[in-house]
Amino acid sequence: SQTIHQWPATLVQPVGSPLSLECTVEGTSNPNLYWYRQAAGRGLQLLFYSVGIGQISSEVPQNLSASRPQDRQFILSSKKLLLSDSGFYLCAYLQGTYGYTFGSGTRLTVV
Amino acid sequence: AQSVAQPEDQVNVAEGNPLTVKCTYSVSGNPYLFWYVQYPNRGLQFLLKYITGDNLVKGSYGFEAEFNKSQTSFHLKKPSALVSDSALYFCAVRDIDGGRRALTFGSGTRLQVQP
Repeated sequence: SQTIHQWPATLVQPVGSPLSLECTVEGTSNPNLYWYRQAAGRGLQLLFYSVGIGQISSEVPQNLSASRPQDRQFILSSKKLLLSDSGFYLCAYLQGTYGYTFGSGTRLTVV
Repeated sequence: AQSVAQPEDQVNVAEGNPLTVKCTYSVSGNPYLFWYVQYPNRGLQFLLKYITGDNLVKGSYGFEAEFNKSQTSFHLKKPSALVSDSALYFCAVRDIDGGRRALTFGSGTRLQVQP
């Protein structure tokens, strides 16, 4: 069966520190992968997507970057966090044409 | 570009009463529409989707949605609300074409079911 793992669940980081959030998928190959951010418990904004290894597309100019070093691994990073990077980060993958599955999310608080 | 709108920030309903959470969409072409539910500090759970076919779509946990092309709406409904249905609900539309195939979400509607 397909599963998606996202960690850590919560993270508190000081301003200016680096960030690395990891997402891994099991039970599928060559999925589309997505990073979304949810601010203030509301709408979800697409940050990055990837259609294959090493292929990253950015949707919104910002302080974050993404990488896909392996087929089923998607990493969200920052060299220096800003207060505005706080939020709830969700990873998702697409199985087939319409089957989206979301991870359990990471709550990031930048202090 | 496609979009969805959820005009209500919050919907309040008494337990046992029917509920409706509204969603309208804007796409060029045939829409692929979804509903998801989110509980506090959790990921999104899939409820149902409309791709083609019957306008009334049945989903998980007793929810259903009605696709109305003339009104460009895809409202979520449930005949009898439960307190446990209280959560944040998102309507979404998938990219029509292209490799991105991403979901674009509405702003969310918080459903509060009172006992």
